[in-house]
Amino acid sequence: EPEVTQTPSHQVTQMGQEVILRCVPISNHLYFYWYRQILGQKVEFLVSFYNNEISEKSEIFDDQFSVERPDGSNFTLKIRSTKLEDSAMYFCASGGVGTYEQYFGPGTRLTVT
Amino acid sequence: RKEVEQDPGPFNVPEGATVAFNCTYSNSASQSFFWYRQDCRKEPKLLMSVYSSGNEDGRFTAQLNRASQYISLLIRDSKLSDSATYLCVVIRDNYGQNFVFGPGTRLSVLP
Repeated sequence: EPEVTQTPSHQVTQMGQEVILRCVPISNHLYFYWYRQILGQKVEFLVSFYNNEISEKSEIFDDQFSVERPDGSNFTLKIRSTKLEDSAMYFCASGGVGTYEQYFGPGTRLTVT
Repeated sequence: RKEVEQDPGPFNVPEGATVAFNCTYSNSASQSFFWYRQDCRKEPKLLMSVYSSGNEDGRFTAQLNRASQYISLLIRDSKLSDSATYLCVVIRDNYGQNFVFGPGTRLSVLP
């Protein structure tokens, strides 16, 4: 069964450093998403991406964040200058045409020290 | 008022019990609805979509009441493996964007 994959599973970084989180969506999906979940809190939408551009973003997704689909398979989330409050689990999700269902990857746990 | 609210839980039930979860949403324009389950420190996994006519998948039944802006999930004959957090998810618009998650309801099925 096709699945979304994410790397790394855990990333530890120092405050102010740049991080790139990587995702490989399901191969025939066209809609891509990033969500985050701070420990003990609910899952929050960050950004959606379709047709090589951002289609929607939340207030959390400020100028420190960017997304890219550098090739036909990867989808990345970059945080330019990490803050302590960026520590969270980051989930990538993808969705196909004709359905609103989204399938989530296993997540990257980001720890900012 | 929060956009998606759920029973606070936790629910602790014996194996074989029937348990129901409730969810309400505040945006009347919301179009699509789902139940996901999330195991501890894992990703949300799609349990079922929720259709206006209600739908059933084995031991799981989902209902939608658009007039009351209310969604429910019923689990019959609970198994130990049903222990998880159940997430009510709403899409605000017709373009399949922007899942809005509820805070989740934790279920523990006890032997």
